Amino acid sequence: AQSVSQHNHHVILSEAASLELGCNYSYGGTVNLFWYVQYPGQHLQLLLKYFSGDPLVKGIKGFEAEFIKSKFSFNLRKPSVQWSDTAEYFCAVPVGYNKLIFGAGTRLAVHP
Amino acid sequence: GAGVSQSPSNKVTEKGKDVELRCDPISGHTALYWYRQRLGQGLEFLIYFQGNSAPDKSGLPSDRFSAERTGESVSTLTIQRTQQEDSAVYLCASRESSGGFETQYFGPGTRLLVL
Repeated sequence: AQSVSQHNHHVILSEAASLELGCNYSYGGTVNLFWYVQYPGQHLQLLLKYFSGDPLVKGIKGFEAEFIKSKFSFNLRKPSVQWSDTAEYFCAVPVGYNKLIFGAGTRLAVHP
Repeated sequence: GAGVSQSPSNKVTEKGKDVELRCDPISGHTALYWYRQRLGQGLEFLIYFQGNSAPDKSGLPSDRFSAERTGESVSTLTIQRTQQEDSAVYLCASRESSGGFETQYFGPGTRLLVL
């Protein structure tokens, strides 16, 4: 069965620190990959996506993610976090046309 | 409205009672999803509606869970004889029929607590 694993459940950083959140998936077919973010009190929203082509994709607010096929990974990165990046981050992979499988999420807290 | 709306935003109920959760999708979005997020866990797919096609109910955890959708509008998720393990945030999402998941928009969720 397809699955998505996020290695870090809670991450605490100071402002300006670099961020990398791990995501590994198990799926043998064509891979599309997503990162979603949920800011406190807000709806879940799309942060970035990978469909094909350049494995390094850029999203909103300075986030990027790299698809490494050989490692089944799609880690999320940001060179310098801000307090406003405090949120919960979810990695997801679609299964067929109908379903998204989500990881358990990573809660990021950024201290000023 | 501009986005997906859900009601109620919070619901507290007693074990054994039935609850009904409502989702209003974005106008024109033919695809509608229900997900469940239990504390400390990711989102679990529950059910998917696409237009007039038969819904994909493969994620419903038990026969106590059911959902309906009238045409391309409102959907209701019903949980009968609620149990404490049903406590979770229930999220609804909608997207365009021709769009991929990147066009999927989520509602604010209904936080359900079963005592």
